[in-house]
Amino acid sequence: EDQVTQSPEALRLQEGESSSLNCSYTVSGLRGLFWYRQDPGKGPEFLFTLYSAGEEKEKERLKATLTKKESFLHITAPKPEDSATYLCAVPAYNFNKFYFGSGTKLNVKP
Amino acid sequence: ETGVTQSPTHLIKTRGQQVTLRCSSQSGHNTVSWYQQALGQGPQFIFQYYREEENGRGNFPPRFSGLQFPNYSSELNVNALELDDSALYLCASSSEGSGETQYFGPGTRLLVL
Repeated sequence: EDQVTQSPEALRLQEGESSSLNCSYTVSGLRGLFWYRQDPGKGPEFLFTLYSAGEEKEKERLKATLTKKESFLHITAPKPEDSATYLCAVPAYNFNKFYFGSGTKLNVKP
Repeated sequence: ETGVTQSPTHLIKTRGQQVTLRCSSQSGHNTVSWYQQALGQGPQFIFQYYREEENGRGNFPPRFSGLQFPNYSSELNVNALELDDSALYLCASSSEGSGETQYFGPGTRLLVL
């Protein structure tokens, strides 16, 4: 069974304190890795898609990177409004099923 | 461009009842996927519909069923509700044109008593 594992489960940072979230996967034949942000009680909001090892994408204070076995979401100088749960997901080979990790709950204190 | 919408936003049912949740996909998207998200967990894939046919299914029993309509909107039906069915139910739409990226609706919060 394909699996996606995220770590840490929760992360508390001071405003401005940079850190990284990890998403490791065991799916064979990766067709893409998706990062989402989810605020409490709401649907996930799309952030990035990475397709191949070595690829990087940036959006404001977030940068996502991908290797053959894992992806990192780097958060530079976070602000309290970055507080949310960050989810990663990988699709089955033909995109007819998606596997999500359990998420990393980020809390940024002012 | 209209995003993914879901109805109702909240629902309370009792054990053994049946429920229907609805989803309107984003304009131009022909694929709809449904997820169950328990509190503190990641979304769990239920099934996917592509052009009105079930295209993929996760590890959910047959009492979870669905439909997709010609306008690509979709329904999730759950029969014989159990207490463990209490969760946030998410709908996501996608298409080949969006690089298969799934865009999520706001979800329906279901509470089974």
